[in-house]
Amino acid sequence: GAVVSQHPSWVICKSGTSVKIECRSLDFQATTMFWYRQFPKQSLMLMATSNEGSKATYEQGVEKDKFLINHASLTLSTLTVTSAHPEDSSFYICSARDGGRSANTEAFFGQGTRLTVV
Amino acid sequence: AQSVTQLGSHVSVSEGALVLLRCNYSSSVPPYLFWYVQYPNQGLQLLLKYTTGATLVKGINGFEAEFKKSETSFHLTKPSAHMSDAAEYFCAVSEFNNDMRFGAGTRLTVKP
Repeated sequence: GAVVSQHPSWVICKSGTSVKIECRSLDFQATTMFWYRQFPKQSLMLMATSNEGSKATYEQGVEKDKFLINHASLTLSTLTVTSAHPEDSSFYICSARDGGRSANTEAFFGQGTRLTVV
Repeated sequence: AQSVTQLGSHVSVSEGALVLLRCNYSSSVPPYLFWYVQYPNQGLQLLLKYTTGATLVKGINGFEAEFKKSETSFHLTKPSAHMSDAAEYFCAVSEFNNDMRFGAGTRLTVKP
């Protein structure tokens, strides 16, 4: 299957700083990428959907100014958590759809990033 | 909008016993349905998916699921549980080119 690489796999940052998480599709062009957040022992909650070259669409309740998403190329999307606080500590997972397939039905997931804000 | 409900947040079985994880979906159009497995601090691995065609879908690691439109269900089964099957399992639904929505997850424990 297609590979999505997410980096870093874990990060610790101080409260008030910003953290950038990268999501790359390694062997396909991802016209659409999704960002999820997962709290311990809970399900994945969709934060936003990003399409290459356009602004991300955020789910209700997600602060777009706090969680900046950039999808500048067909293989890279970034999520920047700005002015991070301890309550932002979570597991963040990206996924990507292969835009090259005519009837794409599957999204491929990155390995996730464990963010801890201290 | 599409959604899924996973019945049972925790399922415990003995090694060698049948595994049954339940999932019901809601969708306004014919759905695409997925089962994923997640190990601690890792991303999601696709077990199997249903898009169109045969309603009984076979996946990796001996898992299979059956799409039942009349029951709006997509339950996951495995005839004989293995210790390595212990993990978190997520059912997900997607409508064509739409985002994927996940159930709350079911933690599977396998007892020796």
